[in-house]
Amino acid sequence: AQTVTQSQPEMSVQEAETVTLSCTYDTSESDYYLFWYKQPPSRQMILVIRQEAYKQQNATENRFSVNFQKAAKSFSLKISDSQLGDAAMYFCAYRGPEGGSEKLVFGKGTKLTVNP
Amino acid sequence: EAQVTQNPRYLITVTGKKLTVTCSQNMNHEYMSWYRQDPGLGLRQIYYSMNVEVTDKGDVPEGYKVSRKEKRNFPLILESPSPNQTSLYFCASSLWTSTDTQYFGPGTRLTVL
Repeated sequence: AQTVTQSQPEMSVQEAETVTLSCTYDTSESDYYLFWYKQPPSRQMILVIRQEAYKQQNATENRFSVNFQKAAKSFSLKISDSQLGDAAMYFCAYRGPEGGSEKLVFGKGTKLTVNP
Repeated sequence: EAQVTQNPRYLITVTGKKLTVTCSQNMNHEYMSWYRQDPGLGLRQIYYSMNVEVTDKGDVPEGYKVSRKEKRNFPLILESPSPNQTSLYFCASSLWTSTDTQYFGPGTRLTVL
């Protein structure tokens, strides 16, 4: 079964600085999808960024970018110019290839604190 | 407003008393799913539904049932709740499949005594 590992239960960053959250996954598939979701204190889960494994280019959404290392099965999230509103739980998630299982597998999450 | 709604938002119940948590979306989404969130365990998928005809188990389906009689609704049923089902539950929907952006409901905090 696929597994998603987030090795950092907690991280902290100074406002305006850059922080990187780690995620590794285990799969035997060559095509799949990876996601980062954010859960602020309001508990509302929001998609941050999405990466399709067959795309070489790392996904970027404004201050959020990923470092997708397919061979290493690594999918880290970089937050640039951190803001107080970035404080949240961040979950990495994996979904297999099209036509396969519709399951979504999430990691255990990383709690990010942003210090003013 | 496009949204996923869940009811109730908070529930305290006792072991063995059947309960249903409702989930409804107004975005005409095909895919719907239930997750539970526990400290230190992240989100774990309980059940998902591709459409009104297809429902399948996630990673932790034991003790839960679901029903998808209409596209917009996907209730989670606990026939005989136990204390280990005390958790924060989220419903989510997406346009077609789980490759699409998941839109989550606000969560239901369930306590089983």
